[in-house]
Amino acid sequence: QVQLQESGPGLVKPSETLSLTCTVSGGSISSYYWSWIRQPPGKGLEWIGYIYYSGSTNYNPSLKSRVTISVDTSKNQFSLKLSSVTAADTAVYYCARQLASWGQGTLVTVSS
Amino acid sequence: QAVVTQEPSLTVSPGGTVTLTCGSSTGAVTSGHYPYWFQQKPGQAPRTLIYDTSNKHSWTPARFSGSLLGGKAALTLSGAQPEDEAEYYCLLSYSGAEVFGTGTKVTVL
Repeated sequence: QVQLQESGPGLVKPSETLSLTCTVSGGSISSYYWSWIRQPPGKGLEWIGYIYYSGSTNYNPSLKSRVTISVDTSKNQFSLKLSSVTAADTAVYYCARQLASWGQGTLVTVSS
Repeated sequence: QAVVTQEPSLTVSPGGTVTLTCGSSTGAVTSGHYPYWFQQKPGQAPRTLIYDTSNKHSWTPARFSGSLLGGKAALTLSGAQPEDEAEYYCLLSYSGAEVFGTGTKVTVL
């Protein structure tokens, strides 16, 4: 059974770049599409974007100018970079495979 | 960007039936929006219940079903159990851009 685990800094300063990695175990990343979703504290879910194992991507239009999702098939990982962060980017960030299997999520706080 | 709307809250009696809906600001929801339904309990990651309108995962309890109803996507819970109390989110696809619904808090009481 595939498992996903998010990792990265839990605290990021305003205007800096948020970087997270999702490590996939129990299955190959070389198929399916792989998503990032976030949830601000006490609020609903927001789709950030996804990447196919081939490298093609699709992003939320409201975040597109700041988001980059990449995949490293050699490490069975995919990553999220979100630039120029503000307090509004404080959220639990989830990675998922095909929106079917989800990681447990990681809280990222934007604060100086 | 489209807005996807759900009932803010619904209450169902144990053993009862409740239907949650998912509407789109762009018009009728169709199978081409590939509706998804997720269940989220406090402090937990979302769990996918339904994909592509009505398809279930192996872990989806049989009491949950998905459909299209009156121009919306619908999730029906038949025979509600106390453990079904949770927040439910739908998701619609707009030519590859996904939009989550506003969420429905379901209380089993």
